[in-house]
Amino acid sequence: GESVGLHLPTLSVQEGDNSIINCAYSNSASDYFIWYKQESGKGPQFIIDIRSNMDKRQGQRVTVLLNKTVKHLSLQIAATQPGDSAVYFCAESLDTPLVFGKGTRLSVIA
Amino acid sequence: DAGVTQSPTHLIKTRGQQVTLRCSPKSGHDTVSWYQQALGQGPQFIFQYYEEEERQRGNFPDRFSGHQFPNYSSELNVNALLLGDSALYLCASSSVRVPDTQYFGPGTRLTVL
Repeated sequence: GESVGLHLPTLSVQEGDNSIINCAYSNSASDYFIWYKQESGKGPQFIIDIRSNMDKRQGQRVTVLLNKTVKHLSLQIAATQPGDSAVYFCAESLDTPLVFGKGTRLSVIA
Repeated sequence: DAGVTQSPTHLIKTRGQQVTLRCSPKSGHDTVSWYQQALGQGPQFIFQYYEEEERQRGNFPDRFSGHQFPNYSSELNVNALLLGDSALYLCASSSVRVPDTQYFGPGTRLTVL
């Protein structure tokens, strides 16, 4: 994937608002996608996944949307909380391994 | 239900040394993948082990090697350490039935001086 160095895109959101984090993936043949949350000093934590035969999947407070036409993935977080502050990565897969996209830093303003 | 565990948490080595990192997969998982995460970047795939054999490998030199044991735990070895090997090393486990759903451990922070 493309290197973003130390300067991750940042999204600042007011507590209680909804957050939308976007991701462009690279391989049109990828058939599985995952969103991970990574807090400082910790490993990536699984949030939600979606297979290519779906365009939307909902979890608890999170929704993932997949647009295969433009190779775009988004993560929506409802009623964003301070504990949601972290770096979010999307990952794509075709018969493993996972290929990670650029991370986005979500900053929640209390 | 124990998640993925890794040891040690932190490690400091000097250039030219060798290091071994360890991983125990999540209960019920049989496949282990290793990733390297440089500061400010997403994880990059090193290799994957299943049935004690390396199944897939990313674009990493032969200095990076691994092993999987009969209890599914795994080791990552790095020889002739370079300054650029400083990174967070992540282990992810999965089941061969659903190999792409991977769960990550907390990582080992390796610093090479």
